[in-house]
Amino acid sequence: SYELTQPPSVSVSPGQTASITCSGDKLGDKYVSWYQQRPGQSPVLVIYQGNKRPSGIPDRFSGSNSGNTATLTLSGTQVMDEADYYCQAWDSSTAIFGGGTKLTAL
Amino acid sequence: EVQLVQSGAEVKKPGESLRISCKGFGYSFTSYWISWVRQMPGKGLEWMGRIDPSDSSTNYSPSFQGHVTISADKSISTAYLQWTSLKASDTAIYYCARHNRVRLCHDYWGQGTLVTVSS
Repeated sequence: SYELTQPPSVSVSPGQTASITCSGDKLGDKYVSWYQQRPGQSPVLVIYQGNKRPSGIPDRFSGSNSGNTATLTLSGTQVMDEADYYCQAWDSSTAIFGGGTKLTAL
Repeated sequence: EVQLVQSGAEVKKPGESLRISCKGFGYSFTSYWISWVRQMPGKGLEWMGRIDPSDSSTNYSPSFQGHVTISADKSISTAYLQWTSLKASDTAIYYCARHNRVRLCHDYWGQGTLVTVSS
């Protein structure tokens, strides 16, 4: 079965750039979306189709996807960006989520 | 405004049955699929399956096929997730999410339903 692999945690200093990776076989051939989940809240879509931002998502969120790796980049990370982040892609008719990455801004 | 409103928290005993719901507001319910996603305590998101409310066709993750049933009533813009015999391991938060087939993403999520199964 298809798997998406994320690092369990990423740390960043406020104001710096954080990168969260998501790896999978030929992932660059698939559309990847990213979700932010703050503690106790529902997930929120922050990137779709690899690099597109929904309305209302700050432009410090960006995405890329090539080869076997998709990357979510937060430029000028803020303390409010501390959350769990999940990548997601489709394999045939099945949605696959990565295991999630906890972003800590300290 | 698009909203998915889920039914309230449930406490059940092992072996009991349960159906939770997800009602869509602010959009054409039959134009978007609804997915169900499980989040066990302290763990990540797991996609369980989805339904096309226009014709009630379904797809399930192999991990959940046969363990749950997803259904919908388009006349009341509501999707359901159902168990016939709950286990303690079903304790989790369950989210419904709208699947945008053009953008290939889950663009709106419900608030989650906590299901606790304990004797």
